[in-house]
Amino acid sequence: GAGVSQSPRYKVAKRGQDVALRCDPISGHVSLFWYQQALGQGPEFLTYFQNEAQLDKSGLPSDRFFAERPEGSVSTLKIQRTQQEDSAVYLCASSTGAGVSYEQYFGPGTRLTVT
Amino acid sequence: AQSVAQPEDQVNVAEGNPLTVKCTYSVSGNPYLFWYVQYPNRGLQFLLKYITGDNLVKGSYGFEAEFNKSQTSFHLKKPSALVSDSALYFCAVRDIRSGGYQKVTFGTGTKLQVIP
Repeated sequence: GAGVSQSPRYKVAKRGQDVALRCDPISGHVSLFWYQQALGQGPEFLTYFQNEAQLDKSGLPSDRFFAERPEGSVSTLKIQRTQQEDSAVYLCASSTGAGVSYEQYFGPGTRLTVT
Repeated sequence: AQSVAQPEDQVNVAEGNPLTVKCTYSVSGNPYLFWYVQYPNRGLQFLLKYITGDNLVKGSYGFEAEFNKSQTSFHLKKPSALVSDSALYFCAVRDIRSGGYQKVTFGTGTKLQVIP
């Protein structure tokens, strides 16, 4: 079956541009997570959705970052006025349920380079 | 705050030899621990988890991990390494503050190189 997909896989943006990163979770998965992975680092939590509700956005680094999941399936992470420090791989993950026993399934990520 | 530490940036092991990738944790309360593997240009893949129960946890691809409460460690092991095991390995801990969902904190990763 299809896994988590993300698009685009690679994105180059000039500083100051807005970008939108898309995540298609596995069909029927309730939970959706966004992570930011800087070069040479582990993924860092950005935000969490349960269906269409954004229950935790404590990891978003600034108000330039915005995420949505309006129909409880596809999610979009938007970054406004990109800065060089936003360069990273953005990972999306989904799971069937919300509890700790549920595995997270990760997409391949979107590599964002801000020039 | 919950955290995990992976003290080795890289581990080299000969094919066929046993491998160990180290992880120590710091949590308040009961630890929920995970190992993930990341292959180049691919997303993270779940290997195994410790929630409760037996200290030796068996996972995918022949990997296992030993939970040691007294040493606050959760080392990843495999009896016989394969070249195809070469990848980046991440230890992770569930953030107890996250309530009912699985918000995890990842370590910095250990690159495993299996030499033919």
